Amino acid sequence: QKEVEQNSGPLSVPEGAIASLNCTYSDRGSQSFFWYRQYSGKSPELIMFIYSNGDKEDGRFTAQLNKASQYVSLLIRDSQPSDSATYLCAVKYGAGSYQLTFGKGTKLSVIP
Amino acid sequence: GAVVSQHPSRVICKSGTSVKIECRSLDFQATTMFWYRQFPKKSLMLMATSNEGSKATYEQGVEKDKFLINHASLTLSTLTVTSAHPEDSSFYICSASLAGDLFFPDTQYFGPGTRLTVL
Repeated sequence: QKEVEQNSGPLSVPEGAIASLNCTYSDRGSQSFFWYRQYSGKSPELIMFIYSNGDKEDGRFTAQLNKASQYVSLLIRDSQPSDSATYLCAVKYGAGSYQLTFGKGTKLSVIP
Repeated sequence: GAVVSQHPSRVICKSGTSVKIECRSLDFQATTMFWYRQFPKKSLMLMATSNEGSKATYEQGVEKDKFLINHASLTLSTLTVTSAHPEDSSFYICSASLAGDLFFPDTQYFGPGTRLTVL
């Protein structure tokens, strides 16, 4: 059973702080990793994807991947109230399939 | 770029009727489309994977005769909920993967979702 684990939260951070969201996955053969943001009542929106070990930065967002530890994280710098949402971690296992396995999501609340 | 639309955004129907939901990739061709269901405060549940021109692959526990999927073209997939019951009330979301994208073939772009209420 391929699993993606996330702390459900809620994670509360003050405005301007760094929010750190974590995700672990069970299959070492995983190749691609995605972070989606989902506002209440809306569909998921792609934030970032990462394929290689290390950090990948895009604006206020940084994705970090450590395949040896089977761990992927998302850092949000200078958190804003508009960042308050549920963040979904998704993992693609292996080649030949486009399916993603989603975690249950971490609810982030940025306090003004 | 990579915009996915869904229609309708919201539908209310009577028990026993059928409802069709359309998913379109507006500015790209999608070899593969996915259908998800999400109950309130729950995670996304993959229902089926749809490839253009072939039969959909359903996840375990999803009734293929109840949830009919047709992927007739590279830009359109439809989900028909047949003989709907109140327990089918949910948020249905489609996503599409960009065909021919050699660099990021795995990325899924989501439609805005369809909220189905069965009375």
